[in-house]
Amino acid sequence: DQQVKQNSPSLSVQEGRISILNCDYTNSMFDYFLWYKKYPAEGPTFLISISSIKDKNEDGRFTVFLNKSAKHLSLHIVPSQPGDSAVYFCALRSGGYNKLIFGAGTRLAVHP
Amino acid sequence: DGGITQSPKYLFRKEGQNVTLSCEQNLNHDAMYWYRQDPGQGLRLIYYSQIVNDFQKGDIAEGYSVSREKKESFPLTVTSAQKNPTAFYLCASTLLGANTGELFFGEGSRLTVL
Repeated sequence: DQQVKQNSPSLSVQEGRISILNCDYTNSMFDYFLWYKKYPAEGPTFLISISSIKDKNEDGRFTVFLNKSAKHLSLHIVPSQPGDSAVYFCALRSGGYNKLIFGAGTRLAVHP
Repeated sequence: DGGITQSPKYLFRKEGQNVTLSCEQNLNHDAMYWYRQDPGQGLRLIYYSQIVNDFQKGDIAEGYSVSREKKESFPLTVTSAQKNPTAFYLCASTLLGANTGELFFGEGSRLTVL
C-alpha cells in the first residue's frame, strides 16, 4: 500500500511559467515534508521542506504548500528555468529516526 | 570539503556473487541510510543506522547486509540471495538532532548483474 503518491510521472512547462508538482499521502503521522531534486546518475539534493505545523514555506523561486486536511503537498516553481529540468521527489518523515518515505517522482522538463 | 562518498560508481557482478558498496561520510553525522532506486519508482529504504554497532532493517532488507563499525562508514553488501539486485543504490546521512528531516545523499552506485 503506497503511503506517498506522485500521480504525474512527467510535466512539461515553458520557461518563465509556473511549474506545479503534486504529492498525496495517506498517513497523518508525518511531521516533516520535503522536496528533493535529482539529476540522472546523481544523488538527490534537498530543495525545500515544511513542518506539519505550517501550510506554506518559501525559498526564492520555490514555494511548498501543505494542505493537511486534504493530505496534499505541492511544490511551486516560478519562474521555471531550463536548469530546473530534473526529477522531483516528495519525501515524508514519520518518527524521530529521520526515516523518509519517497514518492515515485515527477520528471519536470522546462523548455524554452 | 565535507560530504558523502560512495564507491564504486559503477559495478558489474555475475549472478551468485556478493558485492560490497562503500559509503563514507566526513560530516560527523550520526545516522546513515541505504536506499535503492529502480526506474519509475521512488527511493526505498534498505537499512539504516543511528549509532555505531547498531542498525535496523528498512522496508526491503532481504538479501542485503550492513555493518557500522565506525561512525564515518556504512558499507552495504548485496548478497546472492537478493533476487533483483540490478539498481541504483544511494547512501545518505544526517544529524539525529536535525529537525527538518533532511538527509544528505551521496552520488550513488549503479550495480548491474550480468
